[in-house]
Amino acid sequence: AQSVTQLGSHVSVSEGALVLLRCNYSSSVPPYLFWYVQYPNQGLQLLLKYTSAATLVKGINGFEAEFKKSETSFHLTKPSAHMSDAAEYFCAVSDMDNTGKLIFGQGTTLQVKP
Amino acid sequence: EAGVTQFPSHSVIEKGQTVTLRCDPISGHDNLYWYRRVMGKEIKFLLHFVKESKQDESGMPNNRFLAERTGGTYSTLKVQPAELEDSGVYFCASSLLLAGDKYEQYFGPGTRLTVT
Repeated sequence: AQSVTQLGSHVSVSEGALVLLRCNYSSSVPPYLFWYVQYPNQGLQLLLKYTSAATLVKGINGFEAEFKKSETSFHLTKPSAHMSDAAEYFCAVSDMDNTGKLIFGQGTTLQVKP
Repeated sequence: EAGVTQFPSHSVIEKGQTVTLRCDPISGHDNLYWYRRVMGKEIKFLLHFVKESKQDESGMPNNRFLAERTGGTYSTLKVQPAELEDSGVYFCASSLLLAGDKYEQYFGPGTRLTVT
């Protein structure tokens, strides 16, 4: 069965610092991988997705993630944090039974300090 | 283009009562998913519709939960009777039917259900 692990339920960075949110997955076949963000009182918004094309995926708001098969990882990064990046971030893997349903990690709350 | 909408945004009910949650997907999205996040846990899949047909309801907790999608448009999720452990945030998501597009799901803001 597929699973996703996000290391660190809370991450705090200073404004302008590097953002690194960790995600490791377990899958018996090449997966599709996603990062979603949830701002307060809003739904989940797709940040970026990996669908077996380029291993370095660029998303919205300056975020990117790199698929590393050897490490079974899909970490999310942003070179310089902005106050508006404060939110909860979810890593997810698609269930390869072809329904498209997502399996989520536990979520990581990003705090950005001024 | 309107996004996925959910109603109500919050619901507080007593144990044993009935609650119905509604989801309106993006127009033209044949795939509709329900997910739930219990406090402190990960978001978990409940079920999947393609148009009006249930494709996968493997995540439904028990037979107190009933989902419908009449006409292939909006969907409802009824909990009857509600139990304390049903508290959480219920998300709805929709996507297009095509092979690659079904993986790009658009989420609603969720319904926060509190059972007291």
